[in-house]
Amino acid sequence: DTEVTQTPKHLVMGMTNKKSLKCEQHMGHRAMYWYKQKAKKPPELMFVYSYEKLSINESVPSRFSPECPNSSLLNLHLHALQPEDSALYLCASSQDPRQGATEAFFGQGTRLTVV
Amino acid sequence: QQQVKQSPQSLIVQKGGISIINCAYENTAFDYFPWYQQFPGKGPALLIAIRPDVSEKKEGRFTISFNKSAKQFSLHIMDSQPGDSATYFCAAIYDSSASKIIFGSGTRLSIRP
Repeated sequence: DTEVTQTPKHLVMGMTNKKSLKCEQHMGHRAMYWYKQKAKKPPELMFVYSYEKLSINESVPSRFSPECPNSSLLNLHLHALQPEDSALYLCASSQDPRQGATEAFFGQGTRLTVV
Repeated sequence: QQQVKQSPQSLIVQKGGISIINCAYENTAFDYFPWYQQFPGKGPALLIAIRPDVSEKKEGRFTISFNKSAKQFSLHIMDSQPGDSATYFCAAIYDSSASKIIFGSGTRLSIRP
């Protein structure tokens, strides 16, 4: 099973709302990622968790707050977003980082629209 | 140094033809090179991947050619089909505390029936 599951698939939120994106994997992967993708652009890295600890934050604004409750779950909490934050948000996971670089498996994404 | 340059930006190929997408990198710390296929509204799906100690890898109609000395690699899609029409991203990964993926800019491939 190489599946990464993201919920919800679509989300519309106002600029004053608080919402959360959820991601789950059961492949035993120990690295999990959040990416943001705008139309016709490659995915852009936001955060990396390695062994449930935040290891990379690509200078993401504080209105995005990641959380990794356990090795299978990854959340992205959203608060006071701007319309320019509208994008496809992708979660990904990869194997044990201590064993060297390997490919990541992506979820289907959450299409976020900020109004 | 962290960039992966991908070309062409878009490509149109006749059904049954060979599609070729090229990528180049500078950072010799990269040690894994996956290719992803993405359909509109979907997440990227891993297609095929290669390590720099291998010059070629083939899986079905998809082949990666890797030239370590030139720091270039390419994806060949043989017998291209309309269902292959998608955006393709090359990527490079180096190991740090976690595998950080650097994506190319993408190639929009259209296969004409």
